[in-house]
Amino acid sequence: DTAVSQTPKYLVTQMGNDKSIKCEQNLGHDTMYWYKQDSKKFLKIMFSYNNKELIINETVPNRFSPKSPDKAHLNLHINSLELGDSAVYFCASSQGFSVGLGDTQYFGPGTRLTVL
Amino acid sequence: EDQVTQSPEALRLQEGESSSLNCSYTVSGLRGLFWYRQDPGKGPEFLFTLYSAGEEKEKERLKATLTKKESFLHITAPKPEDSATYLCAALITGNQFYFGTGTSLTVIP
Repeated sequence: DTAVSQTPKYLVTQMGNDKSIKCEQNLGHDTMYWYKQDSKKFLKIMFSYNNKELIINETVPNRFSPKSPDKAHLNLHINSLELGDSAVYFCASSQGFSVGLGDTQYFGPGTRLTVL
Repeated sequence: EDQVTQSPEALRLQEGESSSLNCSYTVSGLRGLFWYRQDPGKGPEFLFTLYSAGEEKEKERLKATLTKKESFLHITAPKPEDSATYLCAALITGNQFYFGTGTSLTVIP
């Protein structure tokens, strides 16, 4: 069984379009994240939700909007896509933020977004 | 400024040739230091968490250690299947994660 799944795996689109990436976790975790990995493999956290509430919102353009319909899902919607948005986007989940195993994050397989 | 730096950027080893990967951190309020393995086209896979200086953890050919300024991932007698990118990340007060840029390890048969 896939613990953290993302769809789609690949997304190719034109500049200016709006697109969404979906993420689901079946681990029963309370916290979910979105990361962006650039071409140099640098991972940077974008958002974090705990029990459907936004708790980390790094400096990302407001064209990016996360939505959490329930604690097992965290979707990422991107408006007016730009060339610089091309990257691999990873969803992750963890039990929580308490010190201990709860901090371990489990990552999805990633969504490679290419903006033309 | 909080920062995590990994070295070397790339490492090529012969099978059986032991070595260490370095993760240096300058962060305030470290709560945990994480190591991940990432294979091409896949998401990072959790390996270890270290919480305090002096702590060590082992898993098969890998051993992670932590000091007040850096962490090492020691690889003993590596095999080709250990080839991957190894990432470290610091969790700090305020629930912020900072990742390093990784070390790409290639183990040659």
